[in-house]
Amino acid sequence: NAGVTQTPKFQVLKTGQSMTLQCAQDMNHEYMSWYRQDPGMGLRLIHYSVGAGITDQGEVPNGYNVSRSTTEDFPLRLLSAAPSQTSVYFCASRSGGPYEQYFGPGTRLTVT
Amino acid sequence: GESVGLHLPTLSVQEGDNSIINCAYSNSASDYFIWYKQESGKGPQFIIDIRSNMDKRQGQRVTVLLNKTVKHLSLQIAATQPGDSAVYFCAEILNTGGFKTIFGAGTRLFVKA
Repeated sequence: NAGVTQTPKFQVLKTGQSMTLQCAQDMNHEYMSWYRQDPGMGLRLIHYSVGAGITDQGEVPNGYNVSRSTTEDFPLRLLSAAPSQTSVYFCASRSGGPYEQYFGPGTRLTVT
Repeated sequence: GESVGLHLPTLSVQEGDNSIINCAYSNSASDYFIWYKQESGKGPQFIIDIRSNMDKRQGQRVTVLLNKTVKHLSLQIAATQPGDSAVYFCAEILNTGGFKTIFGAGTRLFVKA
């Protein structure tokens, strides 16, 4: 199994541009989530999904959209990039229930 | 409110010594706790977990202690090695729909050779 994969690894955007961060998992996990991690800080939940077709907002959802059309994929869309969205983005998945999450390697995004 | 915090943002230990990383949580509805290790440039990785009906759980060189009375969690690493250098996060999982996970800010562990 590849686990959780994320693309791209690095991205530089100009203010106002839009883009999609890709996330895929091959473990048939129901639950997927997106976090952002700012320097020296913990992980903050952006959006999450408890199954295909079901998404919900986390702590910091503004400026981001998600969709979950399949169990495997959970893309994160930045609608109009802002410098405040410069961060490292992690996608994670887990099976149903209060279990550990499996994280992808992250996408380092810089918005200038 | 909901929060998980750490007492020490950085910890430096000598190779071979034991390390103790502490974490305070504030939500009584938390049913499950996890410690994650994050190495530089990588995503967090599961180390060990503990349920709220336990007060101690041991793994390979790691032990997690849970004190629900004072809402305190600790991670003990025995015979710390250079490969243990990383940021360690505690996380609490709420016993609510979706099992929301709240992460602490993290502690950076430096292991001196």
